Amino acid sequence: AQSVAQPEDQVNVAEGNPLTVKCTYSVSGNPYLFWYVQYPNRGLQFLLKYITGDNLVKGSYGFEAEFNKSQTSFHLKKPSALVSDSALYFCAVRDSLSAGNNRKLIWGLGTSLAVNP
Amino acid sequence: NAGVTQTPKFQVLKTGQSMTLQCAQDMNHNSMYWYRQDPGMGLRLIYYSASEGTTDKGEVPNGYNVSRLNKREFSLRLESAAPSQTSVYFCASSEWDSYNEQFFGPGTRLTVL
Repeated sequence: AQSVAQPEDQVNVAEGNPLTVKCTYSVSGNPYLFWYVQYPNRGLQFLLKYITGDNLVKGSYGFEAEFNKSQTSFHLKKPSALVSDSALYFCAVRDSLSAGNNRKLIWGLGTSLAVNP
Repeated sequence: NAGVTQTPKFQVLKTGQSMTLQCAQDMNHNSMYWYRQDPGMGLRLIYYSASEGTTDKGEVPNGYNVSRLNKREFSLRLESAAPSQTSVYFCASSEWDSYNEQFFGPGTRLTVL
């Protein structure tokens, strides 16, 4: 069965410091992995995805994520956090072997990131 | 391009009332989705439509119906609203199923009294 976990409900970081938001997954085949961000009272916005290829994926707003197959992780990172990065971050996964009605994304519960000035 | 639009933005219903949430996208996407978002429960898929003319149940379909009216529009209907359906509802679309990134609408905040 597919599953995704975001082990931290909240992450606090000072502006200018690096940030990491963690995500681990479980799938039968190869994973398709996604990160989305949700600002207050808004819909989700796509940040980046890993389908295949380089393990380090670069996305919007200076974010990047590293796919680690051995640790089944896809952590979101940014070298220098901004106050405007404060938002809710969601990780999602789909199994490459899934087909038909099972081709849906499985979503994590979200991690609230607070960047303090 | 407007992207994904949803109406209404806010709605208050009494238990037992019905309503339809409207969603439209102008990106010529094949797949469309309805989610609900509740505190501590993340996003849960209600129904989705992989392509025009098809709809399938998601994780929490009970109490809802959908219509894929055409390629652009995907509506969600609550036939007899219940307080448990108080939530924020998001519509999303993607070029083709969940391989591609999904684009989300601004959401509808629904309260059922």
